[in-house]
Amino acid sequence: AQSVAQPEDQVNVAEGNPLTVKCTYSVSGNPYLFWYVQYPNRGLQFLLKYITGDNLVKGSYGFEAEFNKSQTSFHLKKPSALVSDSALYFCAVRDIGNDMRFGAGTRLTVKP
Amino acid sequence: DAGITQSPRHKVTETGTPVTLRCHQTENHRYMYWYRQDPGHGLRLIHYSYGVKDTDKGEVSDGYSVSRSKTEDFLLTLESATSSQTSVYFCATLGGLGGTDTQYFGPGTRLTVL
Repeated sequence: AQSVAQPEDQVNVAEGNPLTVKCTYSVSGNPYLFWYVQYPNRGLQFLLKYITGDNLVKGSYGFEAEFNKSQTSFHLKKPSALVSDSALYFCAVRDIGNDMRFGAGTRLTVKP
Repeated sequence: DAGITQSPRHKVTETGTPVTLRCHQTENHRYMYWYRQDPGHGLRLIHYSYGVKDTDKGEVSDGYSVSRSKTEDFLLTLESATSSQTSVYFCATLGGLGGTDTQYFGPGTRLTVL
């Protein structure tokens, strides 16, 4: 069965600095990987996904993610963090079929 | 939010009472899902539906049942609520056949079982 791990519960960065939120995955076949963001008292919002092709995927709000097959990772990145990026971030993976598994989430705090 | 609404948005109930949460979508999406969100666990799938009257269990289905009599509505019922079912519940839809398609989420229902 597929699974994802987000090794950091919390990530703190200063505004203007680059940010990385880590995700590793485990699947038996080709992975379909997703990043979602959740703001307080809201549902999850889709940021980006990797299906196939270019390992660097660009998404909403200036975020991007790099798929690394050898390291089974799909880290979320942004070159310059904003205070408004502070939120809860979830990595998810879908393998064969429609069952999607989510990581436990990483809380990103961007300080002014 | 892909036209997904959930009701109620907040509910407080007592142990042993039945509770029904409603998810309504206007996108005519085939697949619908119910998740619960708990600290340290992310989102866990309770039940999902792949069409009208077609449902299946997810990872944490014990104590929950679902029904889908119309494409747009997906109901989650807690037969006899317990304190362990205190959580935030999210509905989601998926427009395609799975695989590469993206799930879209409703705003959530915060349920407290006393």
